[in-house]
This record gives sequence, structure tokens and C-alpha cells, in this order.
Amino acid sequence: NAGVMQNPRHLVRRRGQEARLRCSPMKGHSHVYWYRQLPEEGLKFMVYLQKENIIDESGMPKERFSAEFPKEGPSILRIQQVVRGDSAAYFCASSQEPGQGSEGYTFGSGTRLTVV
Amino acid sequence: AQKVTQAQTEISVVEKEDVTLDCVYETRDTTYYLFWYKQPPSGELVFLIRRNSFDEQNEISGRYSWNFQKSTSSFNFTITASQVVDSAVYFCALLYYNNAGNMLTFGGGTRLMVKP
Repeated sequence: NAGVMQNPRHLVRRRGQEARLRCSPMKGHSHVYWYRQLPEEGLKFMVYLQKENIIDESGMPKERFSAEFPKEGPSILRIQQVVRGDSAAYFCASSQEPGQGSEGYTFGSGTRLTVV
Repeated sequence: AQKVTQAQTEISVVEKEDVTLDCVYETRDTTYYLFWYKQPPSGELVFLIRRNSFDEQNEISGRYSWNFQKSTSSFNFTITASQVVDSAVYFCALLYYNNAGNMLTFGGGTRLMVKP
């Protein structure tokens, strides 16, 4: 029963390149959440997705960042034209349908993005 | 507004001391969940405990214990007889319900350093 799988674990990009972070939710989970952790800071919510739908993107930067959770395959967080300030750990979490009595998120191990 | 405050950014203790990490939350909801996570130096998030808003019973798990007090909106975490392996960043989090479903919001974290 695999947990939330994120890949890659570490990603190095040069300024201006694109970064694609992948997240496969836990089996049976249909809700995916992305969080960003800047160095020495806490986790900040970015976006909440269900299959083929963005439910809440209130934490996403307005430009360069996008997320999707297609019908088939993992959720993707895409950062275009990366800058040094995008260097952070990006965590994905998944959950069951809210209100099912098992409230809580299962987190992946994170992707550490370094922009050089 | 839903908010979690961890006023202690950093705590340093000597091995075998007891240490309490404070967590204060704000919410208007009557139904919510509180969590503690541990983030060791390796970076992953380790789930420690979940508590729902209707269960104020304190919990003990080995050297860990949690004190939930709705009257003061606090959910404090105590480690008894601390060990070097307890050195990590600890996050308190609040899960609440909104129009989109649910949302997990984190405090800023407390870095605990246990010295031998």
C-alpha cells in the first residue's frame, strides 16, 4: 500500500528553465494538495485539486506556476522560467473525500528544487 | 480567520530534559482537527497525532504527550526525557472546512535541538 509518491526527490534547474514536479496520491485518495516550504520557514498552501479540477488555487503565485491533476496519471506542479526564489521544498499531500471520518492528509517526501 | 501560531521558533535542551512545544490556534468552526508533524533533518514530514475538536482527552504515546485545551485554543506537545533523535522541526496544523472542502494550515514550526 504505497503512500504518496513524489518525484524527483531533488531537482536542479538553471534560471529560466522549467521545473515539473510529480505527485501520485495514495491509493483510494482523490484529493491532492501542494504545499511549498521555503528555507527555514513553515509549509504554505499552494493549490488543491481533484481529478481534472482545480478546487482552490488561492495560494498559487499568479504567474509562472500551474498545477493539474489529469484523469490518468500523477498530479503535476509546473513552474515556468524558474528564478532563485523558487528554490524550496515542494510537498504533495493526498486525502480521501472530506467528511469520511479519516480526516487528515498523507504527505509525500517532497521535492527539493534548487535553482542555480 | 483560521490560523496556527507556534510562538517558539527555536528551543534548545539537554538530553533527558522535558520540553513542551506550544501551539495556539484560531478558528470560528466548531468542527476541526489538530495535528502535530515532525520534520527531521532528512526533510520528510512525519505524522505524530490527530485530534478532533470534540475530543479534549489528553493523549500519551511513549515519551510524547499532548494537552488539548479548547478554553485556551491550545494544543501543546510535551516530550519527556528528550533524546538527541528528537531534534527536528515540529509543526502544529489545523484542518478546517471551507467551501472548497477542507484546508490544512500550518504553524511556522518550532526547531527543537536536543544536545547530548
